[in-house]
Amino acid sequence: DTEVTQTPKHLVMGMTNKKSLKCEQHMGHRAMYWYKQKAKKPPELMFVYSYEKLSINESVPSRFSPECPNSSLLNLHLHALQPEDSALYLCASSQEDRALSYGYTFGSGTRLTVV
Amino acid sequence: GQNIDQPTEMTATEGAIVQINCTYQTSGFNGLFWYQQHAGEAPTFLSYNVLDGLEEKGRFSSFLSRSKGYSYLLLKELQMKDSASYLCAVRIRNAGNMLTFGGGTRLMVKP
Repeated sequence: DTEVTQTPKHLVMGMTNKKSLKCEQHMGHRAMYWYKQKAKKPPELMFVYSYEKLSINESVPSRFSPECPNSSLLNLHLHALQPEDSALYLCASSQEDRALSYGYTFGSGTRLTVV
Repeated sequence: GQNIDQPTEMTATEGAIVQINCTYQTSGFNGLFWYQQHAGEAPTFLSYNVLDGLEEKGRFSSFLSRSKGYSYLLLKELQMKDSASYLCAVRIRNAGNMLTFGGGTRLMVKP
């Protein structure tokens, strides 16, 4: 299995809703990432988990809450979002070994619309 | 801080060759990646350079000069399906294998 699976593919939520984005990989990767991408912009790093521990939080608002239940799963819990949070949310994973040359494997993303 | 620059847009003709440049200024450089991203889809890995020189993979080649902080992606025999955004990304040593992306270059291939 060489894929990163993200669900759902599309999500529409109101500003008072609570929802979660899910990401799963079975490649044995020990680093997992959440990126946010607005239209015609590059992906922007949000969170990095390394060996199931949060290692980087790029000053993301608390309405986004990441969770790594185990080495294969990464969640992003959403609460009280704003319309400007509408974007493509990408999950990625990678080996921790610097010698490997494949960078990240990305999931297909969740297209989030906040109304 | 990290600074990665690419042209915003390029246009080329089907069957031609196009070169997409990327310049970077980073501390702790530990490799440069090129990704292809079609609109609304996830980025897909194209190439990786960590040492100076040219890496060739079919119609795609990537070049790196670490002393100049410069890379390019060369696409040969362009096809319509190559119309996409091309992202240059730099990996930073001692930063959790983190990739920092440039702004991306939107390539339009015309008949």
